[in-house]
This record gives sequence, structure tokens and C-alpha cells, in this order.
Amino acid sequence: DAGVTQSPTHLIKTRGQHVTLRCSPISGHKSVSWYQQVLGQGPQFIFQYYEKEERGRGNFPDRFSARQFPNYSSELNVNALLLGDSALYLCASSLDGAGGSADTQYFGPGTRLTVL
Amino acid sequence: AQKITQTQPGMFVQEKEAVTLDCTYDTSDPSYGLFWYKQPSSGEMIFLIYQGSYDQQNATEGRYSLNFQKARKSANLVISASQLGDSAMYFCAMRGYNFNKFYFGSGTKLNVKP
Repeated sequence: DAGVTQSPTHLIKTRGQHVTLRCSPISGHKSVSWYQQVLGQGPQFIFQYYEKEERGRGNFPDRFSARQFPNYSSELNVNALLLGDSALYLCASSLDGAGGSADTQYFGPGTRLTVL
Repeated sequence: AQKITQTQPGMFVQEKEAVTLDCTYDTSDPSYGLFWYKQPSSGEMIFLIYQGSYDQQNATEGRYSLNFQKARKSANLVISASQLGDSAMYFCAMRGYNFNKFYFGSGTKLNVKP
């Protein structure tokens, strides 16, 4: 079975631009989460979606938004990019987000965003 | 507030020896889940092992085991018989009661020496 896929792999943008990152979960997984990982740090939680509804949001500004589609894939949008948004953006999927071992998150390879 | 602490920025271990990576957590949630992930230089986070807060026994997955001490709020990862391919960053993570957030520690960089 295919794992979590993300596109694009790498992206270079300039300050003030907008970016859309895409994620396809493991088949059968209904929950998708997004994380930002700055170099040298652990991932920071941005959003979790389950059945197209936002279930959780981390401490990120409103420039960050996301959505989940009927096929459970997801997009992360970032507006008005800042230099500090340069990071590895990770997407993770889990079975149902209901807790227990079934809530284990499986990660994609990430999208490396560079803002110049 | 939830918090994960990994106090070892970097560690070295000789090939074929065992190594323990430390993780302590802070939460007031009545139930929670603890996870360990491996992140090679390629960047992908690889799930290693899960421990539920109400699990009576320590979790094991092949060469990985989790030394869970609930009273001390620690969840250390033990890797037995280290291999060169184990060289990577290791992250401890916690999912809280509301299941809607994951909290990661700052990671430990493990280097396995031949």
C-alpha cells in the first residue's frame, strides 16, 4: 500500500507570495495533520482535520489555513509568506483520530519550503 | 500545558550495543499516548513504537522497547543491538486526551559508530 504522499517535494517562493501544499493520506485513513519543522527543531503542530472538519489548531497565525477534501486528501495554504516560514512541512495521516494505537500518525516525506 | 522534554541533543553508541534515549513529559490529561519517531537525514518521520498511558506492559517492537514509568512521567526508548542504519534523529511525541494535537520533543541525534 502507498504511504502518505506530499507535493511538491521542494518549493522556492519570495516574501509576500502565497503557497499551497498538498497531501494524500494512506488509503483508509480519515485524519490528516500538518506540521512545520524548522531546521534543528521538532515538528510543530499546525492543524488536524478529520472527516473534512478541523479538529485542532496549533499556535500559528491566520495566514495559515487548510482544508480536507471528500477523498480525505488535504491542502495547506500559507499567505503573505515571511522568511520565517522557511521550513519542512510535514503531513501525517491516521486511521480515525479517536485515540489509542489507531491514532498513530504516519508521515509523508515532507515539502521543503524556502522563502527568499 | 503539554510538554515533551528530550535532554540529550546528541549521543554516540557503538555498533551492536544497546542505547537508551530519554524522554520526559508533562501533562494533566487523564489519558494520553506516547510515540517515538525516527527521522533520517532524508527528512521522513518513521513511526517506531506506541505506548498508551493505561497500558500495563511496556511496548516492544522488534529491537525497540519503551521503558514507561508513569509516576516519573518518563518514556525512554531503548534500542538493542544498534546498527549503523540507526543513525538518525529520534523524536518523542505525545498525543493528549482530546486527540487533536501531537506534541514533539526537540529530538536526540544518535550516531552509531562501527
